[in-house]
Amino acid sequence: KAGVTQTPRYLIKTRGQQVTLSCSPISGHRSVSWYQQTPGQGLQFLFEYFSETQRNKGNFPGRFSGRQFSNSRSEMNVSTLELGDSALYLCASSLAWAGASYEQYFGPGTRLTVT
Amino acid sequence: DQQVKQNSPSLSVQEGRISILNCDYTNSMFDYFLWYKKYPAEGPTFLISISSIKDKNEDGRFTVFLNKSAKHLSLHIVPSQPGDSAVYFCAASAGGGGSEKLVFGKGTKLTVNP
Repeated sequence: KAGVTQTPRYLIKTRGQQVTLSCSPISGHRSVSWYQQTPGQGLQFLFEYFSETQRNKGNFPGRFSGRQFSNSRSEMNVSTLELGDSALYLCASSLAWAGASYEQYFGPGTRLTVT
Repeated sequence: DQQVKQNSPSLSVQEGRISILNCDYTNSMFDYFLWYKKYPAEGPTFLISISSIKDKNEDGRFTVFLNKSAKHLSLHIVPSQPGDSAVYFCAASAGGGGSEKLVFGKGTKLTVNP
């Protein structure tokens, strides 16, 4: 069974630009969560989608948005990039919610560098 | 406000000895705890979990202990192997509502020396 895939793996953008990251969950997984990892803050939760609906959102500004498609694939968008947005963005998928499993399977991440 | 804390950024142990990674949490609503292992250039990999109704869960060389009164959990690796060298993240969830939101600690880098 293929794992979680994220594209692109590496990205360099300029301050003020916008970026879209993509995540394909494990087949059959309906929940997709996004995390930002930085050396200073560790792994921080961005948002979670289930069946095309955002179910949870972390404490990030509105410049960070996402969506999920009917095939469970998810995209994350960051507008008006700032230098502080440079991070590893991780996507994780899981089978279900409501106590069925909290085991999330992570993709390799997209390394975003903002210059 | 950091709800999940891993106070040791790094830990170094000898091969064959026990590795003990610690994690403290402040939110009493957390009812499910997980440990993830992360190698460079890879996403975190689920290692072991424990529900708040238990105080111990064991899987091979890995054992997680939960002390609810102290809001503390620990991961024991026995015996430690060089391949265990990685960053270990502790994570917690207040899953009553079925949320998949995990709150992570900042990680502890474990180095197992041959």
